[in-house]
Amino acid sequence: EVQLVESGGGLVKPGGSLRLSCAASGFTLSNYSMNWVRQAPGKGLEWVSSISSSSSYIYYADSVKGRFTISRDNAKNSMYLQMNSLRAEDTAVYYCARDASIWGEFDQWGQGTLVTVSS
Amino acid sequence: QSVLTQPPSASGTPGQRVTISCSGSSSNIGSNYVFWFQQLPGTAPKLLIYRNNQRPSGVPDRFSGSRSGTSASLAISGLRSEDEADYYCAAWDDSLSGCVFGTGTKVNVL
Repeated sequence: EVQLVESGGGLVKPGGSLRLSCAASGFTLSNYSMNWVRQAPGKGLEWVSSISSSSSYIYYADSVKGRFTISRDNAKNSMYLQMNSLRAEDTAVYYCARDASIWGEFDQWGQGTLVTVSS
Repeated sequence: QSVLTQPPSASGTPGQRVTISCSGSSSNIGSNYVFWFQQLPGTAPKLLIYRNNQRPSGVPDRFSGSRSGTSASLAISGLRSEDEADYYCAAWDDSLSGCVFGTGTKVNVL
């Protein structure tokens, strides 16, 4: 069974840092591009970042560029999101999602991890 | 800030047909595939339609997608109570070099 499990969320003060992890199982992570998508409380979905299977291509939303860093370790079947200089507007549930074959075709999602940025 | 525009809500009675629109531009819908996601209350999104009009295994054929120019639409026929959810369109945007989601549409079954 394909499974994505996010972890690392929590409460952090403005300006602080947090590292999210996404553990993959049931498929070969190295064959797929991966993504982070977030959803602020009561709001819609917002794409955050994408990373290709071999990390050759990395993209970020303008809202997080320069503050967030996406990475992956295929040998550990894991993907990460390092979040620095966090702001209140970064408060959201963060989902990791697998790209089936092309960018945007998010065919598998994790259950999400909540990040709350507040003093 | 969403680049793709959807109506905030849509509603219908059981058995009716509901259509949700998704308006974009030449850099996203006009040149890339459109995807639709269903998000049931309190759960993660689920891929509903891929590559404009394809259904993943397990998605009922009551759901159908189409694309024309810089717009796309999702139709739900034979509406059922379990279809009450939020629906989002999405596409890759060549100008932004990123994925863009629609504003989301809440479907209510009356």
